[in-house]
Amino acid sequence: GEDVEQSLFLSVREGDSSVINCTYTDSSSTYLYWYKQEPGAGLQLLTYIFSNMDMKQDQRLTVLLNKKDKHLSLRIADTQTGDSAIYFCALTGGGNKLTFGTGTQLKVEL
Amino acid sequence: EAQVTQNPRYLITVTGKKLTVTCSQNMNHEYMSWYRQDPGLGLRQIYYSMNVEVTDKGDVPEGYKVSRKEKRNFPLILESPSPNQTSLYFCASGRGTVQETQYFGPGTRLLVL
Repeated sequence: GEDVEQSLFLSVREGDSSVINCTYTDSSSTYLYWYKQEPGAGLQLLTYIFSNMDMKQDQRLTVLLNKKDKHLSLRIADTQTGDSAIYFCALTGGGNKLTFGTGTQLKVEL
Repeated sequence: EAQVTQNPRYLITVTGKKLTVTCSQNMNHEYMSWYRQDPGLGLRQIYYSMNVEVTDKGDVPEGYKVSRKEKRNFPLILESPSPNQTSLYFCASGRGTVQETQYFGPGTRLLVL
């Protein structure tokens, strides 16, 4: 099956940029997503990218996709304390399964 | 308000005592799915359903059952819960296929003693 890996923790200062990384094994993934989970809450879709795109920008969020290296990243510009949460990448491949990464806990310090 | 609801939100039970976690959505979505979230493992898909009476296994279906008799409801059934099913469970729904945006419920935290 698909393996999707993320680093567990990331700490940044308020106002800096955050970059959250995700690596995967299945090159047939067609849609790649970033979800945000705030404490005690469900998952909220932040953004997504199609596999035929290299980059997508949405306000403070920039998604980069390197299909050759099977690497997906989420950059958050001007990170705020409200961005503190767990961030999950997720991928669809064959069939109708959605595979999530292990999640990255982002901590924003003042 | 468009939403996915789960009940109960918190549940403590004992090994072997059958339980059901309900999931309901009011968005007329065809696709519904159950996930479990465990520390260091992310979310893993248990079962999903493409439409009424159509269900399929995800990555970790052992020990779980589901049914989809109505479009809006997708209950998760644990016939004989065991401690390794202690987890945080999320239900999600979406239009059409898994590629469509999924909307998540608030989660059900289950402890099996």
